[in-house]
Order: sequence, then structure tokens, then C-alpha cells
Amino acid sequence: DIQLTQSPSFLSASVGDRVTITCRASQGISSYLAWYQQKPGKAPKLLIYSVSTLQSGVPSRFSGSGSGTEFTLTISSLQPEDFATYYCQQFNSDQYTFGQGTKLEIK
Amino acid sequence: EVQLLESGGGLVQPGGSLRLSCAASGFTFNNYAMSWVRQAPGKGLEWVSGIKGGGGNTYYADSVKGRITISRDNSKNTLYLQMSSLRAEDTAVYYCAKAFYGSGSFYTLGFDCWGQGALVTVSS
Repeated sequence: DIQLTQSPSFLSASVGDRVTITCRASQGISSYLAWYQQKPGKAPKLLIYSVSTLQSGVPSRFSGSGSGTEFTLTISSLQPEDFATYYCQQFNSDQYTFGQGTKLEIK
Repeated sequence: EVQLLESGGGLVQPGGSLRLSCAASGFTFNNYAMSWVRQAPGKGLEWVSGIKGGGGNTYYADSVKGRITISRDNSKNTLYLQMSSLRAEDTAVYYCAKAFYGSGSFYTLGFDCWGQGALVTVSS
């Protein structure tokens, strides 16, 4: 099965900061990568699919990039509502694995 | 409005069985693949199982293969997860999730709608 490794696992940042989260796949996954945001006690929310396409309604400060085995999620200017846990997920194989998550905390 | 509503969670003893249901509304259910995703307390997300819209193709994570069966009843717009030989490590909130397709394709690119989750606790 394809494994996804996110880094860092924890990230402390301030409102207005630019942050980047990396997701590395154990093998090539083409462009079948999505990113989610999850807040405590809530279901995840789809942010980005196909590496870089923003889901409808997602603010443009979120962006995704990458190819092959290395992908990034960037938040250009952190807002208070962005402090949450972020997950990547691959859809290249029939087992849709997630990364272990990155918790973004307020500094 | 697209809605997913899980039910059937609860406390079960190790080795026991449980069936979760997910009632779907607001979309043409049989057109979409569905999945179950779980989250152990304080842990990350784990994809558990998926099923195509017609129900003929099913997929499982290695961690649950042989103990869990996914199914769907398209006449009732309902997704199921039958779990048996449950272990303490199966304790989690179980979410059902709807596939999101790109335009002109039936390839899953993400999960765009999730239920509120059903808590399954495996303990004696």
C-alpha cells in the first residue's frame, strides 16, 4: 500500500504568517492527492483536490502544488480560523491512505 | 442539501460484532462511490473501506481485511459497515464519506461530504 508522510507533525505560527506543509508519498501517485482541514470534534473538510484545485468555497489563501511523490499545502496568510489539523490523502491506489496529519497551532 | 447520517455505534465487547449504517440524502446515491473513514481518539484519519456506486467493487485497508464488510442498498440510499472480531484498536469515530469526482470522470478525487461520525467503543 502507498504510505503518505507529512511534515512537520506540529507547526506553531502566528496570524498573518505563511506556512507550508509537505506530504511525501512512498511511490508516485500522479496527481491524485487531496488536502483536508479538520477542527476538533468536526468532520474533515475537503480543501484541495488533484494536487492544486481548490474546492468550491475555499479561500484563495490556500494553495497546493507538487508532483510525483512530493506535495505541499501552503497557506499564504494565516487567519484565526485556519488553526486546525491538516491531512493529505492519495487516490492513486484502491486503498485511499491518509497522511498522519499536521497540527497547526497558534504561536 | 447533501447529508450523511451515521447510526449504529456503541459499546461492544472484544470479539463482538456491530453494524454501522449511513443514510444518504440530497444526491443520487447510486451514482457515487462511498467510503468509511475512522479516527481513533486523539489520532489521525484512517481510510477503512470503499465501495463503488453500483456496489460491485469493494476495497479494504489491510488493517481490517477479513473482519469488515462494506455494502450498500441503493434502493434505501444507505451505506453499511459490518464489523466482526472487533478489537480494542477498532475503537474510533467512524465517518461515512461521499466521493467527489472531477468533471466528466468517475474517478474519486476526494471526499466532499462527511457524516457527523458514529463512535464505536470496543471494551470489556
